[in-house]
Amino acid sequence: DGGITQSPKYLFRKEGQNVTLSCEQNLNHDAMYWYRQDPGQGLRLIYYSQIVNDFQKGDIAEGYSVSREKKESFPLTVTSAQKNPTAFYLCASRPAPETRPSGETQYFGPGTRLLVL
Amino acid sequence: AQSVTQLGSHVSVSEGALVLLRCNYSSSVPPYLFWYVQYPNQGLQLLLKYTSAATLVKGINGFEAEFKKSETSFHLTKPSAHMSDAAEYFCAVSEKSGGTSYGKLTFGQGTILTVHP
Repeated sequence: DGGITQSPKYLFRKEGQNVTLSCEQNLNHDAMYWYRQDPGQGLRLIYYSQIVNDFQKGDIAEGYSVSREKKESFPLTVTSAQKNPTAFYLCASRPAPETRPSGETQYFGPGTRLLVL
Repeated sequence: AQSVTQLGSHVSVSEGALVLLRCNYSSSVPPYLFWYVQYPNQGLQLLLKYTSAATLVKGINGFEAEFKKSETSFHLTKPSAHMSDAAEYFCAVSEKSGGTSYGKLTFGQGTILTVHP
């Protein structure tokens, strides 16, 4: 089955620790995204990548880092510089814009909930 | 710049009653508009989308939405609520691809729908 997988489902971080959230897609989508979700605030964009080896900061990139070494994978690292990391993290992907009929649509993974010990 | 306002963070209806979730947007260019649904601790699932074809869009689970350019609105409706509709709903706007705005989605803050028996 094609889709987007995120792991782990729950992740615990100790103070001063970096943690990495995994996002993999087998949809052959070009673009991938990371969002952070907090109650009552909707989703906010952290980073996005349109092609391999290239990525752009979103609205709240401070304290986070990403890599895009493979088309299928877009891991997110929450660094110790992120002072309030507790949130639900969602990964999404999107096909090339000229793809019809879904080129404008982002598809989401099941999410990872990050908690601080 | 684009933005989305969802009127009402919580909406409560009785089973069988009309569901109306309000969404207003602003965009400097013709937009794509989306409604997503999120069940607890899950990712976002696409309900429906407007991409400049028909202004009345039908989606999954009996939902539909109407794009009204003059009112900059994209309200979500369902004639008869079911208990399984209880979830959080997000309206989102995206500019058409091109330039540097490759599929960036801007989300509203979400509306939690409660359905009473």
